[in-house]
Amino acid sequence: LAKTTQPISMDSYEGQEVNITCSHNNIATNDYITWYQQFPSQGPRFIIQGYKTKVTNEVASLFIPADRKSSTLSLPRVSLSDTAVYYCLVAGFHDMRFGAGTRLTVKP
Amino acid sequence: ETGVTQSPTHLIKTRGQQVTLRCSSQSGHNTVSWYQQALGQGPQFIFQYYREEENGRGNFPPRFSGLQFPNYSSELNVNALELDDSALYLCASTSWTRDTDTQYFGPGTRLTVL
Repeated sequence: LAKTTQPISMDSYEGQEVNITCSHNNIATNDYITWYQQFPSQGPRFIIQGYKTKVTNEVASLFIPADRKSSTLSLPRVSLSDTAVYYCLVAGFHDMRFGAGTRLTVKP
Repeated sequence: ETGVTQSPTHLIKTRGQQVTLRCSSQSGHNTVSWYQQALGQGPQFIFQYYREEENGRGNFPPRFSGLQFPNYSSELNVNALELDDSALYLCASTSWTRDTDTQYFGPGTRLTVL
């Protein structure tokens, strides 16, 4: 499974766009990229998933360059309630391995 | 909400005891995975069940065992509890598509071993 590297923490202010980048240099052909959000003492919540190029849903966008060795989660106009840990996962079938995640703190 | 439920919410046990945690998958999901999440760390994969058979296992000792039932609900059993087993235990059920899968997590069970 591809190892992922994310910044340990990030700070932002309400209303700003936040971009969290994940590196995954040895991603395999069959691997997809999935991002989760987790609040304290809760299960991870699915945000977005993609394979290549750009994916957008109602809460976020995911940008994946052609070489797929990195991916960027973009959160538009964050609010205080977006303060959480964000995990990038690169995996194929049957298994997911979480890294340490990125702790995002949104300030007023 | 994901539709994945877990019970109990919290549990306190003592060293050496045994514990059973339960998970109900989202409707239509035939695959369930279990994770252990220690405080301040990412979830660690324990094992996965597909149609009542173990379908992958992480680096956990045999005292961690599981079951999946015909209705796709699942149990995680831990024997001979150790202090380091204190953690949030997460269950996730899988939605399959032709090309990939997406796991949806339950709220977790907080286990404290004294």
